[in-house]
Amino acid sequence: GENVEQHPSTLSVQEGDSAVIKCTYSDSASNYFPWYKQELGKRPQLIIDIRSNVGEKKDQRIAVTLNKTAKHFSLHITETQPEDSAVYFCAASISDNAGNMLTFGGGTRLMVKP
Amino acid sequence: DTEVTQTPKHLVMGMTNKKSLKCEQHMGHRAMYWYKQKAKKPPELMFVYSYEKLSINESVPSRFSPECPNSSLLNLHLHALQPEDSALYLCASSLDSPSYEQYFGPGTRLTVT
Repeated sequence: GENVEQHPSTLSVQEGDSAVIKCTYSDSASNYFPWYKQELGKRPQLIIDIRSNVGEKKDQRIAVTLNKTAKHFSLHITETQPEDSAVYFCAASISDNAGNMLTFGGGTRLMVKP
Repeated sequence: DTEVTQTPKHLVMGMTNKKSLKCEQHMGHRAMYWYKQKAKKPPELMFVYSYEKLSINESVPSRFSPECPNSSLLNLHLHALQPEDSALYLCASSLDSPSYEQYFGPGTRLTVT
């Protein structure tokens, strides 16, 4: 099955700096890569996603890049703010005859210091 | 309505109890999911319902029994749980499959005593 590795596990940045979180996946059949933000005690919230026919996607301060050849994708947050502090999960979706499923990375705890 | 709702928010149950978790969405989504999340870990998929039929069961013990009465509702029936089953149980839904955006409910914090 699919395996998703996520790095780093913790990331501390100063407010205003950029943050980058990287994920690698194992199965070349994966074609959908969402990123979720989870604040303490809250639900995971979809913040951005990318499909395998696109190399980059941007939404205001958040961008995601995908390298299908290398099987890795990254989340970039620019001009970080204290409210960006949360745990971020990447995921990859693989299709098979039984249906599709998301495999999550281990998570990155981002701390933005004011 | 653009939300997935879950009840109850918190549940404490003994190992001999029978309880149910409920999930509801009115976004017209045809795929619904149960995940289990332990502290500081990612969500782990338990079950997937697609068009009200169970399509994926990730080798979950039979003490967890899912049910999808209709396209808007998803239940998880719990019986004879163990303390290690204590976790946050998250429901999610997507238009058709995980290759569409998947939206999570707020979860039920379950404690098994």
